[in-house]
Amino acid sequence: DAGVTQSPTHLIKTRGQQVTLRCSPKSGHDTVSWYQQALGQGPQFIFQYYEEEERQRGNFPDRFSGHQFPNYSSELNVNALLLGDSALYLCASSWGTGAYEQYFGPGTRLTVT
Amino acid sequence: TQLLEQSPQFLSIQEGENLTVYCNSSSVFSSLQWYRQEPGEGPVLLVTVVTGGEVKKLKRLTFQFGDARKDSSLHITAAQPGDTGLYLCAGAQSNTGKLIFGQGTTLQVKP
Repeated sequence: DAGVTQSPTHLIKTRGQQVTLRCSPKSGHDTVSWYQQALGQGPQFIFQYYEEEERQRGNFPDRFSGHQFPNYSSELNVNALLLGDSALYLCASSWGTGAYEQYFGPGTRLTVT
Repeated sequence: TQLLEQSPQFLSIQEGENLTVYCNSSSVFSSLQWYRQEPGEGPVLLVTVVTGGEVKKLKRLTFQFGDARKDSSLHITAAQPGDTGLYLCAGAQSNTGKLIFGQGTTLQVKP
């Protein structure tokens, strides 16, 4: 049973550039949530996707956008990168939008220089 | 804004000692989860508590949800070096999948 997978593992970008991160949910899960984890902090909720639509959003600017595909996989896009966007980006999957038990992927470490 | 405060933020103990990590909020959560995270990896779910006053045990780990569902604790008995890691509590808002995380407790268990 494959768990949550994310790609790439690491990424280095320059300020102002755009980045796309990818996530495949755990088998049987249909909902994907994205979190940002700064060094030494707990994860912060970015948004959640279900049935190919953004269902909930945390306190993040419009530079952060996403997409969910028919196979439930998801992408996180960040435009106009800032130094402060450097973080570990975590994808979590669950069954249904109200499910509180979420299973996390290994994350993508984004460094903005 | 719902916040979860974890304490302590850092804990360094010797193998064999006991410890307790606390997670407190002024808000009520429908459930609370505890995760353990190792460097460079995603959080791994340890337990979910749902009912006020609930106690769950996972080997040497004991988790408790406060009666009012605003706080939780994690107690580790006879800590081992393999317990080293970042422990995170996360509260779920009713009928949503949004998790509110505490800032984490970094535990180091020295042999």
